[in-house]
Amino acid sequence: NAGVTQTPKFRVLKTGQSMTLLCAQDMNHEYMYWYRQDPGMGLRLIHYSVGEGTTAKGEVPDGYNVSRLKKQNFLLGLESAAPSQTSVYFCASSYVGRTADYVGFEQYFGPGTRLTVT
Amino acid sequence: GEDVEQSLFLSVREGDSSVINCTYTDSSSTYLYWYKQEPGAGLQLLTYIFSNMDMKQDQRLTVLLNKKDKHLSLRIADTQTGDSAIYFCAEAMDSSYKLIFGSGTRLLVRP
Repeated sequence: NAGVTQTPKFRVLKTGQSMTLLCAQDMNHEYMYWYRQDPGMGLRLIHYSVGEGTTAKGEVPDGYNVSRLKKQNFLLGLESAAPSQTSVYFCASSYVGRTADYVGFEQYFGPGTRLTVT
Repeated sequence: GEDVEQSLFLSVREGDSSVINCTYTDSSSTYLYWYKQEPGAGLQLLTYIFSNMDMKQDQRLTVLLNKKDKHLSLRIADTQTGDSAIYFCAEAMDSSYKLIFGSGTRLLVRP
């Protein structure tokens, strides 16, 4: 299993350019997430999906769009990049984990995409 | 509201114990998690604790939960240089697949 993969690993954009970040998971997880990580601010949820064909807004959705056409893929789009979108972007996926004493949503993270917008 | 707070930095000597603290505000949280992020990598789940537990031990890791004070701590025994990383606590509300992360504590282990 490759787990959660993200492409590209690095990207530099000019203000106003567009791009799509791809996240793929091979664990058959229902739930997928996009976060951004900025210094001193932890991870903030951009958008998430609870299943194929569904998406929902997270904490900081403005300036981003997402699509989940296939269960294993979750795409994050920037239509018109701004310097404020310079960040490290992480994708994650999760499942409903059930054991005798646990029902939870362990999230598995990709390695991240470092995006710089100049 | 939902808010998770952590101190930003901790430095310890190799072999000592490390204690990383976290406070959260949502009393309805059912699970609390500790994640580790090594340089240039994504987050990896270290351990979790259910809200009706006070303590959980997993090898060198001990998680303590004070639900009254909404305080969570992660103790790493015999800290090694390989433990140097950023540690995030996160809370999940009841039936929620969304996590609220703290800002992370950077642990530096000195030889």
